[in-house]
Amino acid sequence: GENVEQHPSTLSVQEGDSAVIKCTYSDSASNYFPWYKQELGKGPQLIIDIRSNVGEKKDQRIAVTLNKTAKHFSLHITETQPEDSAVYFCAAKGGAGNMLTFGGGTRLMVKP
Amino acid sequence: GAVVSQHPSRVICKSGTSVKIECRSLDFQATTMFWYRQFPKQSLMLMATSNEGSKATYEQGVEKDKFLINHASLTLSTLTVTSAHPEDSSFYICSNLALGETQYFGPGTRLLVL
Repeated sequence: GENVEQHPSTLSVQEGDSAVIKCTYSDSASNYFPWYKQELGKGPQLIIDIRSNVGEKKDQRIAVTLNKTAKHFSLHITETQPEDSAVYFCAAKGGAGNMLTFGGGTRLMVKP
Repeated sequence: GAVVSQHPSRVICKSGTSVKIECRSLDFQATTMFWYRQFPKQSLMLMATSNEGSKATYEQGVEKDKFLINHASLTLSTLTVTSAHPEDSSFYICSNLALGETQYFGPGTRLLVL
């Protein structure tokens, strides 16, 4: 089945700096890659997603890039703010079983 | 995005009792919904796929007789944890399925079994 690796597990940045979270996947048939933000005690919130026919997608301060050949995708957050502090999960879908497989999560801390 | 609600948001029960968790897809009809479990500081693990009008599909290692899933309508799926034990204490989260691939998650239900 699909295996998604996510790095780093924790990330601390100063307010205003950029944050980058990277994920790799194993199933070349995967074609849908969402990112979720989870605040403490809450369910995951979809923040951006990308499909395999696109290499990059941007939504205000958030961008995601996809390299199908290398099977990795990344989340970029610019001008970070304290409210960006949360756990971020990448995921992949579309391979065998067509189930959403999550990475291990990244705890982002933005220091004011 | 699609709105998913869960009830209750948290529940405490005694060991050996059963607990029912409701998941509602509020703004569109969901023929498929998913149930996940999340332990502290860990990722989400898929427990089962809930299909409206048919039996749920369980992931390997998830006991179907312990985690009963009912998806009787296009907007409601329920998960019943039967004969709950302390090791069942976890954060249970459901999601719907929109446009064939996008999943929106509910706010989660924290279960504590004493």
